[in-house]
Amino acid sequence: GQQLNQSPQSMFIQEGEDVSMNCTSSSIFNTWLWYKQDPGEGPVLLIALYKAGELTSNGRLTAQFGITRKDSFLNISASIPSDVGIYFCAGPMDSNYQLIWGAGTKLIIKP
Amino acid sequence: NAGVTQTPKFRILKIGQSMTLQCTQDMNHNYMYWYRQDPGMGLKLIYYSVGAGITDKGEVPNGYNVSRSTTEDFPLRLELAAPSQTSVYFCASGRYYEQYFGPGTRLTVT
Repeated sequence: GQQLNQSPQSMFIQEGEDVSMNCTSSSIFNTWLWYKQDPGEGPVLLIALYKAGELTSNGRLTAQFGITRKDSFLNISASIPSDVGIYFCAGPMDSNYQLIWGAGTKLIIKP
Repeated sequence: NAGVTQTPKFRILKIGQSMTLQCTQDMNHNYMYWYRQDPGMGLKLIYYSVGAGITDKGEVPNGYNVSRSTTEDFPLRLELAAPSQTSVYFCASGRYYEQYFGPGTRLTVT
């Protein structure tokens, strides 16, 4: 079946650092979605990508739809404390607008 | 525009009790979803609906039931609560593949 592998599993970063994470699929996707979940909250949609090679920004966040259509990348520039949380990638299953979810990348700011 | 609202926020159930988790959206989305998220884990789809009157099972439907009588509401029913159903439950609605989540219901079964 379809699988999403998200890496790294967790990241310890200093405030001000840039962050990169990625997501790879065992099959080709036509859509990639990136979500952030704050502790005790529901996931919030950050960026949606619909075309191979597409690069889309949302403030300090930039996401790219890989040209192979089997991967996607999320970058955060100049991290700040409120960036802490879990970042999930998601892509479409076969039908009915269901999503497959990655296991998440947990971002932790070093004190 | 409240988005997706869920009630209650927290609930403790005894084994064998039943309850309904409420979910309402005001974005006129046809698609609605119920997920569960166990501690430190990702999201697992329980049930979903593509429109009023139409529902279907997701990855982990056992022990749950849903109904969709209106576009706005998508309640999730637990009939005989078990400790394995201790989790955080999220409702979402969406158009195309973009899903928008509610704040969650934290359920403990003891």
